[in-house]
Amino acid sequence: ETGVTQSPTHLIKTRGQQVTLRCSSQSGHNTVSWYQQALGQGPQFIFQYYREEENGRGNFPPRFSGLQFPNYSSELNVNALELDDSALYLCASSSGPRDEAFFGQGTRLTVV
Amino acid sequence: GDSVTQMEGPVTLSEEAFLTINCTYTATGYPSLFWYVQYPGEGLQLLLKATKADDKGSNKGFEATYRKETTSFHLEKGSVQVSDSAVYFCALRGGNEKLTFGTGTRLTIIP
Repeated sequence: ETGVTQSPTHLIKTRGQQVTLRCSSQSGHNTVSWYQQALGQGPQFIFQYYREEENGRGNFPPRFSGLQFPNYSSELNVNALELDDSALYLCASSSGPRDEAFFGQGTRLTVV
Repeated sequence: GDSVTQMEGPVTLSEEAFLTINCTYTATGYPSLFWYVQYPGEGLQLLLKATKADDKGSNKGFEATYRKETTSFHLEKGSVQVSDSAVYFCALRGGNEKLTFGTGTRLTIIP
């Protein structure tokens, strides 16, 4: 059974660009949540997808958007990147919205 | 809204010392409480959890008890090892189903 995998592991983007981060959920999981972890801080909830529908959103602007596919993998898209978007982006999958979340290793995004 | 406050770090202890990392929370209703651990270069791993008042979560020698009267969920371990060096996050899941995390406590164990 494979765990949660995220790609890429690291990337560098320029301010104003757009980025897409990807997450493959653990087998049998239908729920994916995304978190932003700034350096030295705890993860902050961005949004959750359950069976391809957005199922809750944190305090992030609309330029943060997402998608969940029929195989329950997910994408996080960020438009008009700002320097403060530099962070570790974590994906977590679970077998339901309130079930135990299993985290991937994250994508380290640096905006210059 | 929901919030978690945990002990500021970093914390440095000698091997075999007793560990306590304090965590208090603010939430409406009856949240579930968690401790996650993050080893260098890795994602978060669930260490233990408790879903109702007076529950005790335990794993790998770590324990935490859900105290509703003091809104606390302090993490303890009787004898720490070098391999316990990591960042520890207290978290809660409230009625909105999202996880709310504290800022993390970096723990370093010296041989």
